Amino acid sequence: KNEVEQSPQNLTAQEGEFITINCSYSVGISALHWLQQHPGGGIVSLFMLSSGKKKHGRLIATINIQEKHSSLHITASHPRDSAVYICAVRIGNQFYFGTGTSLTVIP
Amino acid sequence: EAGVAQSPRYKIIEKRQSVAFWCNPISGHATLYWYQQILGQGPKLLIQFQNNGVVDDSQLPKDRFSAERLKGVDSTLKIQPAKLEDSAVYLCASSLSGGPGELFFGEGSRLTVL
Repeated sequence: KNEVEQSPQNLTAQEGEFITINCSYSVGISALHWLQQHPGGGIVSLFMLSSGKKKHGRLIATINIQEKHSSLHITASHPRDSAVYICAVRIGNQFYFGTGTSLTVIP
Repeated sequence: EAGVAQSPRYKIIEKRQSVAFWCNPISGHATLYWYQQILGQGPKLLIQFQNNGVVDDSQLPKDRFSAERLKGVDSTLKIQPAKLEDSAVYLCASSLSGGPGELFFGEGSRLTVL
């Protein structure tokens, strides 16, 4: 069983829609990361969370430590948001990654 | 601040040939990771260094893969001989310390084995 589960695996949205990507994990963590990977590109760190909520522009990330769950929200989605979004958790000295959510935003 | 540098960005080789990837982490980052990312999957840890020591190489196929970080700064990952299933993106990442710090990735090196 993977330590990190993401849903949905694929997501297609119309420009302007509100998007939610979910991440669940199975053990205690020291931090959770949301990462963005564009096609052919490297991985960019969007957020690092250990509690509560963080906001950066149109992106919002929340985490519920008790429920072992995190969500990444994108408001007013835009075609340039099309990418793979990866949830990663830090357990001890290691990172464990979800398989990613492939988001396509259609103009 | 310069990011994590990797080279080459792309490499195409035939099976049984060898290949080497280079990574220079962010200055001052003690922890360096090499990940393998196969298309459609999340990154899989190959090896983790803390300074010039190996912290975890349990998932490194040691019969063909090797990595070193001799001076605790830049690192090289080598595959010899390559197999078709080694086709993947090899990602290098670094973080400041072993604590809950942020993880910074390079652009990745995309390997195609024919």
